Amino acid sequence: GQQLNQSPQSMFIQEGEDVSMNCTSSSIFNTWLWYKQEPGEGPVLLIALYKAGELTSNGRLTAQFGITRKDSFLNISASIPSDVGIYFCAGQLLTGGGNKLTFGTGTQLKVEL
Amino acid sequence: DGGITQSPKYLFRKEGQNVTLSCEQNLNHDAMYWYRQDPGQGLRLIYYSQIVNDFQKGDIAEGYSVSREKKESFPLTVTSAQKNPTAFYLCASKSSGTGGTEAFFGQGTRLTVV
Repeated sequence: GQQLNQSPQSMFIQEGEDVSMNCTSSSIFNTWLWYKQEPGEGPVLLIALYKAGELTSNGRLTAQFGITRKDSFLNISASIPSDVGIYFCAGQLLTGGGNKLTFGTGTQLKVEL
Repeated sequence: DGGITQSPKYLFRKEGQNVTLSCEQNLNHDAMYWYRQDPGQGLRLIYYSQIVNDFQKGDIAEGYSVSREKKESFPLTVTSAQKNPTAFYLCASKSSGTGGTEAFFGQGTRLTVV
């Protein structure tokens, strides 16, 4: 099955730094979602994007739906220790995907005090 | 509170035994999903169901079975045919209606074969 290309695979940053991660695909998506997963827990939805070019914020998080519909990025500003976790992108294909989501491979974020 | 509940959180199984993982949701969602998560491999789709009494295989269905007799419930059975069942299992649900693309996850079940 298809998975989205998510990068970077992991990041080790200093507290207070800004973080950026992205997802790309060869297919067109009509929805992009960003999730955060903490150890031993299920993923929690952070941001949902529904239109090409859409830019949406949730506190210190900002995500954008790429204009080509084949990519999305997530930025975290002024990172804090509780930002630690694995961030997943997910998308629903414009055609051929049924009612399923395709997930990225995840970006593991570690924050150094 | 509305949500999706998986149980148990931790499960141990002896080799050769079948085991069933529970997933219940009270969000009135039509669609439900089971994913398997292994370190470094993201989420892989095992089975999904778009409506009661109907389900389809995902990308890694071999060794697993499901049922969808009620809208609220989508149990997953890990059979003895699954060669490497130790993993973190996640259940999710979402609406099938317009704009219903956001999937919500349970807290997961960690299965360990001993």
